[in-house]
Amino acid sequence: DAGITQSPRHKVTETGTPVTLRCHQTENHRYMYWYRQDPGHGLRLIHYSYGVKDTDKGEVSDGYSVSRSKTEDFLLTLESATSSQTSVYFCALARAGLGNEQFFGPGTRLTVL
Amino acid sequence: GESVGLHLPTLSVQEGDNSIINCAYSNSASDYFIWYKQESGKGPQFIIDIRSNMDKRQGQRVTVLLNKTVKHLSLQIAATQPGDSAVYFCAENMGSGGSNYKLTFGKGTLLTVNP
Repeated sequence: DAGITQSPRHKVTETGTPVTLRCHQTENHRYMYWYRQDPGHGLRLIHYSYGVKDTDKGEVSDGYSVSRSKTEDFLLTLESATSSQTSVYFCALARAGLGNEQFFGPGTRLTVL
Repeated sequence: GESVGLHLPTLSVQEGDNSIINCAYSNSASDYFIWYKQESGKGPQFIIDIRSNMDKRQGQRVTVLLNKTVKHLSLQIAATQPGDSAVYFCAENMGSGGSNYKLTFGKGTLLTVNP
């Protein structure tokens, strides 16, 4: 599993509340990604990071922010959660220099009521 | 909860048969392709990859074929087993030079293996 953990694994929250999801890796890889997965849409990239404090937007970044203050942690924040952000969120990392293969975490199921 | 398998193309096969899952990709400049398997409640798992300078690559019970002329990718699973039941995604690197290792994923195909 490439040493990736996500927390929490499940969360139920209310519209308008802030939510932070954490992705933690133990193998010191440079590239990390946040995706959301919804029926009929597959995996869509929210944000990614190519190093400490280096992040960029993906295709569905509106309403999300990220931070990477140290190599091992990549945080995804929903500043004010909406029901449209109910989804399963996956973190992934890529092993630079070994191709573009990405390894995925176990996912976080978020429900916004 | 709602399954990621809903609304997906589906393929149903008998145990022991060969399976072929197809994927059309969008960018002729893509130079790297991956197949992932996702079981219910789990994250996607790497199966096999192929670079654009190849047209075939084989792994254990799996073969990926790449046809760049028609931008088509296929995954062949030999002697399909019940444990192969999952959603299968293709993914492409959009030829950005690999500096950020970004992938674009297809919507997936649900494979069901009947005993």
